[in-house]
Amino acid sequence: DVKVTQSSRYLVKRTGEKVFLECVQDMDHENMFWYRQDPGLGLRLIYFSYDVKMKEKGDIPEGYSVSREKKERFSLILESASTNQTSMYLCASSFGDSESSPLHFGNGTRLTVT
Amino acid sequence: AQSVTQLDSHVSVSEGTPVLLRCNYSSSYSPSLFWYVQHPNKGLQLLLKYTSAATLVKGINGFEAEFKKSETSFHLTKPSAHMSDAAEYFCVVSEDNYGQNFVFGPGTRLSVLP
Repeated sequence: DVKVTQSSRYLVKRTGEKVFLECVQDMDHENMFWYRQDPGLGLRLIYFSYDVKMKEKGDIPEGYSVSREKKERFSLILESASTNQTSMYLCASSFGDSESSPLHFGNGTRLTVT
Repeated sequence: AQSVTQLDSHVSVSEGTPVLLRCNYSSSYSPSLFWYVQHPNKGLQLLLKYTSAATLVKGINGFEAEFKKSETSFHLTKPSAHMSDAAEYFCVVSEDNYGQNFVFGPGTRLSVLP
């Protein structure tokens, strides 16, 4: 079974702090994704990566950056956390060469910015 | 462009009765379709996927879905609801061949009454 592991389940940070959310997958997937999930707004794509050091902006990249130095690891960075970034963050991965490849999700990180 | 409509934001059933969660999609090509389940404070878990091999797809936990091209629908069913089925369900469509482009429905919250 594919395993996608997010380093923290719950995180509390202060406004202005730099925050790192880490995600690791163990199935050699090419694609990795960061979503945020908010009540009433559904899942929104922040960034995705299709290869090491490659990234594409999603629907809501403002205030975020990402890093993918190794194939298995994809980090989401909040340069200066703000209260409107309080949310559930979900990491996912998928194979890159199949039309039917599903997304595999981690358990999420619930981030609170105070 | 792809889009997904989940016709009911909330469905409530009694334990032991059938479940029907509706999903309609819009796609220019032959899409791949997925259903995911999300329990509170957890990530999304893949229930089943449609990949053009068979129109009736069986998934985990007794769920199944039928792809109907003429109706552009992919409704999720289960013959007998269990208390543990109470969760949020997401219908997802993908058109690309690289596992990169996914469009999520807004979700349906399923309540199961004793």
